[in-house]
Amino acid sequence: GESVGLHLPTLSVQEGDNSIINCAYSNSASDYFIWYKQESGKGPQFIIDIRSNMDKRQGQRVTVLLNKTVKHLSLQIAATQPGDSAVYFCAANYGQNFVFGPGTRLSVLP
Amino acid sequence: NAGVTQTPKFQVLKTGQSMTLQCAQDMNHNSMYWYRQDPGMGLRLIYYSASEGTTDKGEVPNGYNVSRLNKREFSLRLESAAPSQTSVYFCASRSTGGSYEQYFGPGTRLTVT
Repeated sequence: GESVGLHLPTLSVQEGDNSIINCAYSNSASDYFIWYKQESGKGPQFIIDIRSNMDKRQGQRVTVLLNKTVKHLSLQIAATQPGDSAVYFCAANYGQNFVFGPGTRLSVLP
Repeated sequence: NAGVTQTPKFQVLKTGQSMTLQCAQDMNHNSMYWYRQDPGMGLRLIYYSASEGTTDKGEVPNGYNVSRLNKREFSLRLESAAPSQTSVYFCASRSTGGSYEQYFGPGTRLTVT
């Protein structure tokens, strides 16, 4: 079946540094990808998305990179802040629905 | 504008008991979803409803039933709860426009003993 995985279950970064969270997907037919942020005790919240006809998309302090050749995407967070501490999920579509990765827990160190 | 609301927030059931998780959205979205989230795993789709009047199975539908009561409400029912259904349940909704963004509720933490 379809699968989405992340390379690291946890990531710790110093406040002010840049964070990079990676994700791999299995279905080469996936053409839409989303990154979500989930804070403790809350539901996932949309961060940024990217379609397969793009290889980079930027938002406010976040950038998503897509490499379709190796079926890999990454989320870059610039100048990481304490409020960025959360679990980050990538999701890849299969048809109209999505497969979610297991998540990377980002901890921001003071 | 409350977004997606879920009730209850917490629930403890004994094996064999039944219950219904309620979900409502006020964004006039066509599609609604039920997911479960277990430790160390991503969200897994239980059931979804692409539009009012339709429901379809997702990845892990066994032991669950759903009802799309109207455009706003989508409920998830456990007929005979089992310990394997201990999880956090999330409801989500999405408009069927250009974006695939799903809006999630705050979740229901269910424990089956």
